[in-house]
Amino acid sequence: EVQLVESGGGLVQPGGSLRLSCAASGFTFSSFEMNWVRQAPGKGLEWVSYISGSGSTIYYADSVKGRFTVSRDNAKNSLYLQMNSLRAEDTAVYYCARVTVGNWGQGTLVTVSS
Amino acid sequence: QAVLTQPASLSASPGASASLTCTLRSDINVGTYRIYWYQQKPGSPPQYLLRYKSDSDKQQGSGVPSRFSGSKDASANAGILLISGLQSEDEADYYCMIWHSSAYVFGTGTKVTVL
Repeated sequence: EVQLVESGGGLVQPGGSLRLSCAASGFTFSSFEMNWVRQAPGKGLEWVSYISGSGSTIYYADSVKGRFTVSRDNAKNSLYLQMNSLRAEDTAVYYCARVTVGNWGQGTLVTVSS
Repeated sequence: QAVLTQPASLSASPGASASLTCTLRSDINVGTYRIYWYQQKPGSPPQYLLRYKSDSDKQQGSGVPSRFSGSKDASANAGILLISGLQSEDEADYYCMIWHSSAYVFGTGTKVTVL
């Protein structure tokens, strides 16, 4: 059974940093692209970042480019999102997901507020 | 103009059919895209329903009932999610998604209410 478990969310002040993690199991992690998707309270889904199975190809949404960094450790079956220069508008539930096959974690809430 | 536009809401009676549209921006051609559909209920992550590009390139999500089906309307430049025999449990938000210009793009979402 595929499992994706996010962690690392919490309350952070504007301008601060946070690192999210996603632990994957139940599939050959290194063979598949992974994504981060977020959802602000009461709003729709917003794709944040893509990383290929090898980690060699990375894409970001314009809204986070230059502030967020996605990475993965295939030896640890883990996906990461380093978030710097956080803004109030980054407040959301962050999901790690294999979006084209429908595997999503339960999400971790990031709140940016003073 | 958003890349993917969905009507904000749709209401229908139990047992009826509901057709949810996902209209692509006019400069991109629906024919070239796989369109993914998700269902999301409050407090839960999205659940994958299906993907549709053509009748020869489509996939139903695991365990997803056949009353959920995908199609396209080329004249409207739109993807369509058809829900047949609506049930109360189908009340949820529905999102479409495509891969476009090195990014996944989600539609604006449609809230389906079963009256």
